[in-house]
Amino acid sequence: GALVYQYPRRTICKSGTSMRMECQAVGFQATSVAWYRQSPQKTFELIALSTVNSAIKYEQNFTQEKFPISHPNLSFSSMTVLNAYLEDRGLYLCGARDLQGAGAEQFFGPGTRLTVL
Amino acid sequence: GQGVEQPDNLMSVEGTFARVNCTYSTSGFNGLSWYQQREGHAPVFLSYVVLDGLKDSGHFSTFLSRSNGYSYLLLTELQIKDSASYLCAVRWPNYNVLYFGSGTKLTVEP
Repeated sequence: GALVYQYPRRTICKSGTSMRMECQAVGFQATSVAWYRQSPQKTFELIALSTVNSAIKYEQNFTQEKFPISHPNLSFSSMTVLNAYLEDRGLYLCGARDLQGAGAEQFFGPGTRLTVL
Repeated sequence: GQGVEQPDNLMSVEGTFARVNCTYSTSGFNGLSWYQQREGHAPVFLSYVVLDGLKDSGHFSTFLSRSNGYSYLLLTELQIKDSASYLCAVRWPNYNVLYFGSGTKLTVEP
């Protein structure tokens, strides 16, 4: 079956430092990977969409300078939160999808919960 | 994003039903998905609809009205374990991504 792993599951970093999180797809080709942040208030925000062999598209209020993303192959993506501050805390979810497949389902990892001190 | 709106909370009783509503802005719509999310866990895919009408999938059914920008997720024969957040996500073709509502927390009481 299709699975998405994310690690670390939880992380704590000091304000002003950076933190890298990873997303691994197993059992399907992750041609498209979307990174989301779910805030403590439960708001679900799309950060960026990465499609293999295409430019990464960032949503308004999110930039490559703050959230650089790597998507080097069809099974892996990583995102770094640079210079993290309190407002960056939340659950970061990776949603992967096979654009070549017939289904419309986006598979999610369990998320990386970021706490900023 | 994209005007996806859901009520924050919904309460219902075990053995009855619950209807979770979702509205969205209709411009460029290309399908709508429903996910279930338990606290601290990833959203789990439930259903995808792109055509108008009711899609019956047993315990979960979904309804869509594209002209009204409206969908609902219907849960029947509720069980306590159905207590969770239910997320509505709309797909737009330009970016091929899902834009989520903030979710509706369903509480099923005995």
